[in-house]
Amino acid sequence: AAGVIQSPRHLIKEKRETATLKCYPIPRHDTVYWYQQGPGQDPQFLISFYEKMQSDKGSIPDRFSAQQFSDYHSELNMSSLELGDSALYFCASSSLARGDEQFFGPGTRLTVL
Amino acid sequence: DAKTTQPPSMDCAEGRAANLPCNHSTISGNEYVYWYRQIHSQGPQYIIHGLKNNETNEMASLIITEDRKSSTLILPHATLRDTAVYYCIVSSPRPPGNQFYFGTGTSLTVIP
Repeated sequence: AAGVIQSPRHLIKEKRETATLKCYPIPRHDTVYWYQQGPGQDPQFLISFYEKMQSDKGSIPDRFSAQQFSDYHSELNMSSLELGDSALYFCASSSLARGDEQFFGPGTRLTVL
Repeated sequence: DAKTTQPPSMDCAEGRAANLPCNHSTISGNEYVYWYRQIHSQGPQYIIHGLKNNETNEMASLIITEDRKSSTLILPHATLRDTAVYYCIVSSPRPPGNQFYFGTGTSLTVIP
């Protein structure tokens, strides 16, 4: 079965640079979520979108923004990167009509030098 | 903040049942109990979820107490590949997009 696709899988950036992470949900899923997992920490919710509208918002820094496009894929844009932004970033998707469980992608490992 | 409490770690002998408890005393009527696991930096993997009835699938069974204040995830025959951090999460599926609060989870080690 198709799963959530995230790209890139690994990304290395310098401080103060920008980064864009992409998420392609499972086909026919209408909701996407972004989570951040720092080293040795548990996943922390950042933001979610349902039908291209922001649905819930967590501890997402003002330097980060995200959106969901008409084809339901989502992008997380991160600017003025800091060392503390180094983490795993997971995207998940769910379907209002198909059970609501969140299915997670493999993650993007961001390293800020 | 996480709405659940789990023991930080547990061991289980290979081939035996692993019973992972979770307390969620403040669960509200429209919130489900979800269980996920994470194997070393991979994406969290969905296991099972339920509202108030016990549930079983090919991976595990979920037992929810009648007052819904606690639950137990049962892996009937644990294997070494079940070694992971297990998260118990309570969340309402409405409105769509509700966040999951991941607590610290239970680190399960399956011992040969």
